[in-house]
Amino acid sequence: SQQGEEDPQALSIQEGENATMNCSYKTSINNLQWYRQNSGRGLVHLILIRSNEREKHSGRLRVTLDTSKKSSSLLITASRAADTASYFCATPLGSNYKLTFGKGTLLTVNP
Amino acid sequence: EAQVTQNPRYLITVTGKKLTVTCSQNMNHEYMSWYRQDPGLGLRQIYYSMNVEVTDKGDVPEGYKVSRKEKRNFPLILESPSPNQTSLYFCASSLRTGGADTQYFGPGTRLTVL
Repeated sequence: SQQGEEDPQALSIQEGENATMNCSYKTSINNLQWYRQNSGRGLVHLILIRSNEREKHSGRLRVTLDTSKKSSSLLITASRAADTASYFCATPLGSNYKLTFGKGTLLTVNP
Repeated sequence: EAQVTQNPRYLITVTGKKLTVTCSQNMNHEYMSWYRQDPGLGLRQIYYSMNVEVTDKGDVPEGYKVSRKEKRNFPLILESPSPNQTSLYFCASSLRTGGADTQYFGPGTRLTVL
């Protein structure tokens, strides 16, 4: 079962531009996570935002969470070619025993 | 170095030939899980384990078995592999329960069943 869904499915930008990806989810959550996956490799955790937080920063990443709209956004500022990857949001399901992932946004940053 | 390791990284096998994919973590994590990733379907959880000797089904457990006899190891067993189990498999671990904590992923095992 899938809880979160990313939008857009694919995004292509030029180096130096900002990239914004969105995630919508269905049921109430106590946290939301974002992960990055370079082609065919393991996922890497980027950031975790809790339900009582509205915004969180980590380097060039900014994540927002709007629990009233059941949505989150990931902003990558001043993108680089190395940011080219798939980005996934992940939300707990049920009693926190399981983490479900969306299908991801494929970000391509052109040099 | 803190990490999750998987072996083998690549495997080509034939239908019905039992195989095991190993997963090991060196972070003393309580929670471990297996996912499969397929184009257009994203990551789907196969099994998870809250602790030693405690395992439970994820979203797509059919055709798979797991065991957790030691805290650090969580092997995935395919007793009779079929072509629809051709996929990219990931093992992951976290300090606490899967939904509440950062997941650390292994590098993946690409399995092809002919």
